[in-house]
Amino acid sequence: ETGVTQTPRHLVMGMTNKKSLKCEQHLGHNAMYWYKQSAKKPLELMFVYNFKEQTENNSVPSRFSPECPNSSHLFLHLHTLQPEDSALYLCASSQDRNTIYFGEGSWLTVV
Amino acid sequence: QKEVEQDPGPLSVPEGAIVSLNCTYSNSAFQYFMWYRQYSRKGPELLMYTYSSGNKEDGRFTAQVDKSSKYISLFIRDSQPSDSATYLCASHYNQGGKLIFGQGTELSVKP
Repeated sequence: ETGVTQTPRHLVMGMTNKKSLKCEQHLGHNAMYWYKQSAKKPLELMFVYNFKEQTENNSVPSRFSPECPNSSHLFLHLHTLQPEDSALYLCASSQDRNTIYFGEGSWLTVV
Repeated sequence: QKEVEQDPGPLSVPEGAIVSLNCTYSNSAFQYFMWYRQYSRKGPELLMYTYSSGNKEDGRFTAQVDKSSKYISLFIRDSQPSDSATYLCASHYNQGGKLIFGQGTELSVKP
């Protein structure tokens, strides 16, 4: 139990589908993050939310659409993805943007 | 030049060996240094957190930072098969700053 829960753990979607990844943190933190992890590459920061306001968008394509309704929940809405978007998507949280705690990740395969 | 560089390995050692994992970084302003451990198909978990130069010990693990050479090390004593994982180093220059990750080093400890 990491304190950051992600669902689903695995997702296979077609390029024309629309799906969403969900993240919930039980740590009382005020910042939440989406990271992308591809094989043999460093973790890529995608989005940062602080007190449910987006503070960072790391030049992420618009086919990825985040949503943060409150400090405990974060979504990543996916539509018209490409096969190269297949990766592990990690949600994380932190208090005042200090030490970051990760969830288990959602494995996404785009076919 | 990548801000944080790490040899991806894989590194294979026999059980009981002392393991040395290393990273270099380019930004001399980095002050906070972390090591994360990531088991296969899991999210990264924080292993060690250090500020500025010096050593920090936690059980079989020792984190070392040499700011003069911009070198970060993680030593694992009496390595166990359960230590087999990918180890990620990460740095940032201030509290709340963007965390920069290395590529990760894959470690395998053979019984």
